[in-house]
Amino acid sequence: QKEVEQDPGPLSVPEGAIVSLNCTYSNSAFQYFMWYRQYSRKGPELLMYTYSSGNKEDGRFTAQVDKSSKYISLFIRDSQPSDSATYLCATDQAGTALIFGKGTTLSVSS
Amino acid sequence: DAGVTQSPTHLIKTRGQQVTLRCSPKSGHDTVSWYQQALGQGPQFIFQYYEEEERQRGNFPDRFSGHQFPNYSSELNVNALLLGDSALYLCASSLTSASYEQYFGPGTRLTVT
Repeated sequence: QKEVEQDPGPLSVPEGAIVSLNCTYSNSAFQYFMWYRQYSRKGPELLMYTYSSGNKEDGRFTAQVDKSSKYISLFIRDSQPSDSATYLCATDQAGTALIFGKGTTLSVSS
Repeated sequence: DAGVTQSPTHLIKTRGQQVTLRCSPKSGHDTVSWYQQALGQGPQFIFQYYEEEERQRGNFPDRFSGHQFPNYSSELNVNALLLGDSALYLCASSLTSASYEQYFGPGTRLTVT
């Protein structure tokens, strides 16, 4: 079992839709959970990180962690064509290496 | 505030050759990590440098080596290149006190022929 699992999609939605992106992880010792956005042929951009369980909101983005089920989610409200990208979930291992999912490719059509 | 920079942007090498990739961290950051991202995959951790020492290493062979300089910039060296080394190589910087908050550069795309 991989340490972080993420459905690669692709996921296609119309502009204005609410998008839900999800990951699961295997190690209950993980404490920090990150979401990155990566445009084609660019480096990943840190969107937000969450410590332990709970929600964190930043504009149209909400990150949610449920440690009891080892489930990580990112919600995007009022999705825009500019949100079309690959979204990567990640967690940290002992405060050094980040462990990434494979990424979910999102396409928002106008 | 300059972000993470990497050079070169693209590189084409032949099997068996050696390559050096360079990274300058975000201003104020003291820790540099390197990742390899194959097409359609998430980044895979290669190693992390702090205080000019390799702090942790991922599951990569000794052909992959690195260095960190006193100004915190870093190099990744790959010897005896294989076709399978073709990938996007990403550098990320962070504060050692917050290594979970890593900021990535644009990457170097390496093609091995």
